[in-house]
Amino acid sequence: AQTVTQSQPEMSVQEAETVTLSCTYDTSESDYYLFWYKQPPSRQMILVIRQEAYKQQNATENRFSVNFQKAAKSFSLKISDSQLGDAAMYFCAYRSAAGTYKYIFGTGTRLKVLA
Amino acid sequence: DTAVSQTPKYLVTQMGNDKSIKCEQNLGHDTMYWYKQDSKKFLKIMFSYNNKELIINETVPNRFSPKSPDKAHLNLHINSLELGDSAVYFCASSHSSTRWQFFGPGTRLTVL
Repeated sequence: AQTVTQSQPEMSVQEAETVTLSCTYDTSESDYYLFWYKQPPSRQMILVIRQEAYKQQNATENRFSVNFQKAAKSFSLKISDSQLGDAAMYFCAYRSAAGTYKYIFGTGTRLKVLA
Repeated sequence: DTAVSQTPKYLVTQMGNDKSIKCEQNLGHDTMYWYKQDSKKFLKIMFSYNNKELIINETVPNRFSPKSPDKAHLNLHINSLELGDSAVYFCASSHSSTRWQFFGPGTRLTVL
């Protein structure tokens, strides 16, 4: 069975600086999708960025980018120029490319942004 | 033009009651999900329907029963509510071709 691990329960970053959130996963599959979701205090789950495992190029969305290391089964999220609005819980998620559309979420990392 | 909506957003009820949470999506997606997020923020899938067919049914007490009247709706009915059912319940939807999910705003259920 697949698992997703986020080893940092909480992280802090100074406004305008860069922070990296870690995510590792375990799977025997070769084709899958990885996601980062953000959950601010409003509790709405917002998709931040996604990565297809077959793509070698790391995904980027404005200030958010990932470091996808398929062999190491690592999928970290880098937030550049951190803003106060980035403060939230961040969840890493895995979805197989085949079979049922089951998403597996990590336990989350709470990001605090310091002014 | 809400994408995934849930009603109600808050639900406070007594132990032993029966309650329902409704979910609707207007994205044309073919797959819908129910998740439970506990007090520690752990998000766990409960059910998933694809084209009105149940495809994921995790280990959930049979007091929980999902119903999908059509592809745009997925409701969750809970019988004999218990204290441990208190959580935030999220509905989500996706299209089998796009791979990523859109979430509803969540329903905070409090059982007293």
